[in-house]
Amino acid sequence: AQSVTQLGSHVSVSEGALVLLRCNYSSSVPPYLFWYVQYPNQGLQLLLKYTTGATLVKGINGFEAEFKKSETSFHLTKPSAHMSDAAEYFCAVSPSMEYGNKLVFGAGTILRVKS
Amino acid sequence: DTEVTQTPKHLVMGMTNKKSLKCEQHMGHRAMYWYKQKAKKPPELMFVYSYEKLSINESVPSRFSPECPNSSLLNLHLHALQPEDSALYLCASSQDGFEAGGHSYGYTFGSGTRLTVV
Repeated sequence: AQSVTQLGSHVSVSEGALVLLRCNYSSSVPPYLFWYVQYPNQGLQLLLKYTTGATLVKGINGFEAEFKKSETSFHLTKPSAHMSDAAEYFCAVSPSMEYGNKLVFGAGTILRVKS
Repeated sequence: DTEVTQTPKHLVMGMTNKKSLKCEQHMGHRAMYWYKQKAKKPPELMFVYSYEKLSINESVPSRFSPECPNSSLLNLHLHALQPEDSALYLCASSQDGFEAGGHSYGYTFGSGTRLTVV
């Protein structure tokens, strides 16, 4: 059973449009949830994380995500896309029943921003 | 210092060569990780060191040999690799030990070593 599902391997938006990247998780315990961004030929950079407390989490570069326990979702949004947002985005969760303390990544979503 | 530094950035090696990848962090993080990432795929966990001891080996072939000489340094020794081992190798660290969950602050990743085996 997959712990993290990212809907859409590719998302394309116009510059200035809303960015919505979807992430659903499965975990039997309250999870930690993360979004990472990866630019070409670079490592992963932490965008934001949810551990406890406020369910709306603000991150770097204008991104935010909302933890919805009832929907087991942690979707990433940005009100207005910029060309520099073009990258691959990974949702990750830990812990999970299947994978213990390991950080489990989704398959990734490539964001393309059109001018 | 809030970075994980990986060297070299690029490496081309023959199948009979021996080489090493190096990873360094000076944030006082207690767990360090090696990941392998193929193109258009998420990172795959290879090894976890927690408090300088090997916690997890994800059934990685013995041609990959990790080493943690001290709390700031992590090496990955490579020997007799195959072309299919060509990938981006990422090092990461986390503030807490792995057994404690290790993730409440997230992982800090290095920029990776792009390895090509010829």
